[in-house]
Amino acid sequence: GDSVTQMEGPVTLSEEAFLTINCTYTATGYPSLFWYVQYPGEGLQLLLKATKADDKGSNKGFEATYRKETTSFHLEKGSVQVSDSAVYFCALRSYGGSQGNLIFGKGTKLSVKP
Amino acid sequence: DVKVTQSSRYLVKRTGEKVFLECVQDMDHENMFWYRQDPGLGLRLIYFSYDVKMKEKGDIPEGYSVSREKKERFSLILESASTNQTSMYLCASSELQVNTEAFFGQGTRLTVV
Repeated sequence: GDSVTQMEGPVTLSEEAFLTINCTYTATGYPSLFWYVQYPGEGLQLLLKATKADDKGSNKGFEATYRKETTSFHLEKGSVQVSDSAVYFCALRSYGGSQGNLIFGKGTKLSVKP
Repeated sequence: DVKVTQSSRYLVKRTGEKVFLECVQDMDHENMFWYRQDPGLGLRLIYFSYDVKMKEKGDIPEGYSVSREKKERFSLILESASTNQTSMYLCASSELQVNTEAFFGQGTRLTVV
């Protein structure tokens, strides 16, 4: 079945450091890919998405490129801020999938220190 | 502004009580979901619904039931609450098309004592 694997956390960075959170997927068909962010005590909110191969999603300085050849959707940011401290979830939706077509990775907790 | 609203942010219930968690969306979405979130386990799907009165089990349906009598409302029911159901519960909704995102409520932190 469909699945999403993302790097284990927690990740701790200093302010202005470069961030990469790895995400790879397995899916039938042609999935759409998403990154969600969860700030402390809150629900999840969409950070960015890409719906076809080679698309780049971007928002708030974060970027991720849909790589079909490597089945990856890694999240990057050039210079993190303390306010980026949160849990990040990679997710996919595919017509071939089950569970309402919405599959999440386990999440990666990011802590950014001043 | 689109919204998914969960009826409570925090709940404390006693073991054995019947507990209702309510979720309402204002986007006319077909899909609605209930997840629970626990440290180290990520999001685990309890149930989802793709239409009124339709439901499908997720990964961990035991001890839970759901109700969807109207398109905008999806209720999660803990038939007899137990301490191992203490968790964060998240509701979400989405359109059927896979190139669209899901929208989440703010979560309900349930403590069963």
